[in-house]
Amino acid sequence: TQLLEQSPQFLSIQEGENLTVYCNSSSVFSSLQWYRQEPGEGPVLLVTVVTGGEVKKLKRLTFQFGDARKDSSLHITAAQPGDTGLYLCAGLPSNTGKLIFGQGTTLQVKP
Amino acid sequence: GAGVSQSPRYKVTKRGQDVALRCDPISGHVSLYWYRQALGQGPEFLTYFNYEAQQDKSGLPNDRFSAERPEGSISTLTIQRTEQRDSAMYRCASSLIRPGPTNTGELFFGEGSRLTVL
Repeated sequence: TQLLEQSPQFLSIQEGENLTVYCNSSSVFSSLQWYRQEPGEGPVLLVTVVTGGEVKKLKRLTFQFGDARKDSSLHITAAQPGDTGLYLCAGLPSNTGKLIFGQGTTLQVKP
Repeated sequence: GAGVSQSPRYKVTKRGQDVALRCDPISGHVSLYWYRQALGQGPEFLTYFNYEAQQDKSGLPNDRFSAERPEGSISTLTIQRTEQRDSAMYRCASSLIRPGPTNTGELFFGEGSRLTVL
């Protein structure tokens, strides 16, 4: 069974602080995605990473895929209240289209 | 709109009743996924289809749960003899392309169907 472990589960920080969310597994994934979900809405895709060691930047968000394609991280610089939400990693195991999600990280950024 | 549409948005039923949840994906989207999501948690995989073919149903909790997508478009998730533990948000998502080793399509999620079993 492929599992994605996210940490931390909850994060409450002040505006302007930096943070990192981790997504780890013992399994190899052919690709990994990060989604953000706001209350009452469905998840929305932020980024897809497919190559081991790949780094992608989206404004103040930096995403990294581990060299072995078993883990990923999301780093937010100078967090803003608008970044508040549930962050989800989702992995596609090799040879399957079964996209599985981590448990999520709830981020609260206080003004 | 042109997004993924789910109905009903809210369903309250009594234990033992059957329920059918409908998902209308974005037109032309090949893959369709069903997930179950608890509040503040990540979506739990149930099943997915490429066109009309059910590719993986390993996440369906038991044989009371079934899903179909007979014409490769609209899908129905059916729960027979509902139990209180079935209460949850059920989310459908669709993707333009089939997921594969070199590509992963963006999943577009519907607003979900919240099921409450009394």
